[in-house]
Amino acid sequence: RKEVEQDPGPFNVPEGATVAFNCTYSNSASQSFFWYRQDCRKEPKLLMSVYSSGNEDGRFTAQLNRASQYISLLIRDSKLSDSATYLCVVPNTGGGNKLTFGTGTQLKVEL
Amino acid sequence: ETGVTQSPTHLIKTRGQQVTLRCSSQSGHNTVSWYQQALGQGPQFIFQYYREEENGRGNFPPRFSGLQFPNYSSELNVNALELDDSALYLCASSPDRFTVYNEQFFGPGTRLTVL
Repeated sequence: RKEVEQDPGPFNVPEGATVAFNCTYSNSASQSFFWYRQDCRKEPKLLMSVYSSGNEDGRFTAQLNRASQYISLLIRDSKLSDSATYLCVVPNTGGGNKLTFGTGTQLKVEL
Repeated sequence: ETGVTQSPTHLIKTRGQQVTLRCSSQSGHNTVSWYQQALGQGPQFIFQYYREEENGRGNFPPRFSGLQFPNYSSELNVNALELDDSALYLCASSPDRFTVYNEQFFGPGTRLTVL
């Protein structure tokens, strides 16, 4: 099983739609998680952190299910500007102090 | 903008050559991590430097090496370039070496093409 797995998409949705991305992780000891957003040919930028069961920031909601080792990102009322790749990220809890990224899920919001 | 800068922006090299990529961390950050992002993939951890010492390494061969300077800027060196080294190389800085709770701030990356 990969350390972090995501559906690569692309997800093509109309403006105003609600879309959800899923991510599974293999390390049951992981305590915190991140969602990063990456625009085409740009660097990743932190969107949300998830330390407990979930986190909400405006139109964005992240949820964590530790029993199933599953994280989700929900985007409500999608905007054209939400078009990007969304990366699920798990910090390493052992040695190496690294971030482990999923392959990313591509979202395209259309008129 | 994150305050993390990288140079050069783009680079074209041929197989077998050597390359040095540079990164200036955000002010106040003492930890720099390097990642390789191939097309269509997520970034892969290469190594991390904390106060001029290597503080963890990913699954990359020894021809990938690095340095961190007293001002916490960093270099990534790749020897004997291979075609598969073509990728976006990202530098990320953080205020501390512990990544579990600390956000890492990414620079704009260096796009390396190996012909």
